[in-house]
Amino acid sequence: LAKTTQPISMDSYEGQEVNITCSHNNIATNDYITWYQQFPSQGPRFIIQGYKTKVTNEVASLFIPADRKSSTLSLPRVSLSDTAVYYCLVASVQAGTALIFGKGTTLSVSS
Amino acid sequence: EAQVTQNPRYLITVTGKKLTVTCSQNMNHEYMSWYRQDPGLGLRQIYYSMNVEVTDKGDVPEGYKVSRKEKRNFPLILESPSPNQTSLYFCASSLKGWSSYEQYFGPGTRLTVT
Repeated sequence: LAKTTQPISMDSYEGQEVNITCSHNNIATNDYITWYQQFPSQGPRFIIQGYKTKVTNEVASLFIPADRKSSTLSLPRVSLSDTAVYYCLVASVQAGTALIFGKGTTLSVSS
Repeated sequence: EAQVTQNPRYLITVTGKKLTVTCSQNMNHEYMSWYRQDPGLGLRQIYYSMNVEVTDKGDVPEGYKVSRKEKRNFPLILESPSPNQTSLYFCASSLKGWSSYEQYFGPGTRLTVT
């Protein structure tokens, strides 16, 4: 299983762009990279997923370099409501593989 | 509405008293999973199921049991709860494998074992 490493915490101000980088040096060829967001006492919520290059949706962008050993979640113009824990996951297509969430990055957005 | 439901949402029990936390999804998902979340430890997978009658251990299976007799339900069983199982529990489901399919999480069950 590919282990992921993320910063424990990050601070930002409203209106700024926030980039959270995740390291996954042992990622396998068929692994996908997925990011989840979690608010206190709620279940995690899917943000974005990608395999390579860049993926963008209405809330975030995901940048994956060619070697896929890291990925960066980019949140444009954050607001107070983006204060949450963000998890980076690397998951295998192989059936029967357990999923490891890790401890995530706590993002604190201030006004 | 597509959702994952868990019951109960809050439970206080005593050591050794068997309990079951139910989980149900209405999205016809194949994969279901249970997690526990503890301060400073993040989310840890307990058990998961790839389909009916197919289950496997996650990261922290000790002290827990699961069953998957129907596609929509995936109950978590604590045969003899202990205080170290006090935690916030989440059930999740995904259409197929979570490598390329997003997981949908339930609202959580806060369990206290005294």
